[in-house]
Amino acid sequence: KAGVTQTPRYLIKTRGQQVTLSCSPISGHRSVSWYQQTPGQGLQFLFEYFSETQRNKGNFPGRFSGRQFSNSRSEMNVSTLELGDSALYLCASSSTGAEQYFGPGTRLTVT
Amino acid sequence: DQQVKQNSPSLSVQEGRISILNCDYTNSMFDYFLWYKKYPAEGPTFLISISSIKDKNEDGRFTVFLNKSAKHLSLHIVPSQPGDSAVYFCAATGSARQLTFGSGTQLTVLP
Repeated sequence: KAGVTQTPRYLIKTRGQQVTLSCSPISGHRSVSWYQQTPGQGLQFLFEYFSETQRNKGNFPGRFSGRQFSNSRSEMNVSTLELGDSALYLCASSSTGAEQYFGPGTRLTVT
Repeated sequence: DQQVKQNSPSLSVQEGRISILNCDYTNSMFDYFLWYKKYPAEGPTFLISISSIKDKNEDGRFTVFLNKSAKHLSLHIVPSQPGDSAVYFCAATGSARQLTFGSGTQLTVLP
């Protein structure tokens, strides 16, 4: 089975812009979660989608949003980018919700 | 408020010896625990997990031990190999199935 894929792998944006990241889960996995990794805060949960519905949300501002499509692929969007949004954004998929399998991540740099 | 703590930022072990990585948690609602291995600029790779109804789980060279009364888990790697050198994260989850990660331990296995 192919693993979780994320596109793009690297992205450079300017403050104030918006960005959309994409994730394709492992085939058959209906749960997709997003995490942010920064040197200061570590790995933090953003949100989880299951069957096109947001099931859980972490403690992030409303500028961070996501969605899931009927084929389980997911996108996350960050609007009005700030310097502090520079991070590695990780997508994980799961069939059970407990064991999550991560993609390679998208490295976002905000200048 | 760190609900999952890895108090050792780094650990060095000789090749062939045992590596023991430790993790403490505070939230009694956590019922499933996982260990991930991570290389720089890559997504975490799932290693092994344990449910709160067990106290030990083995998979090849990896064994995870859970002490619920002490709210402590550990990952044993025997024998350690140079390819095991990476950052190891413990993570915990409850019914919401969002992973809460520790801050990671950098394991270096010396040849």
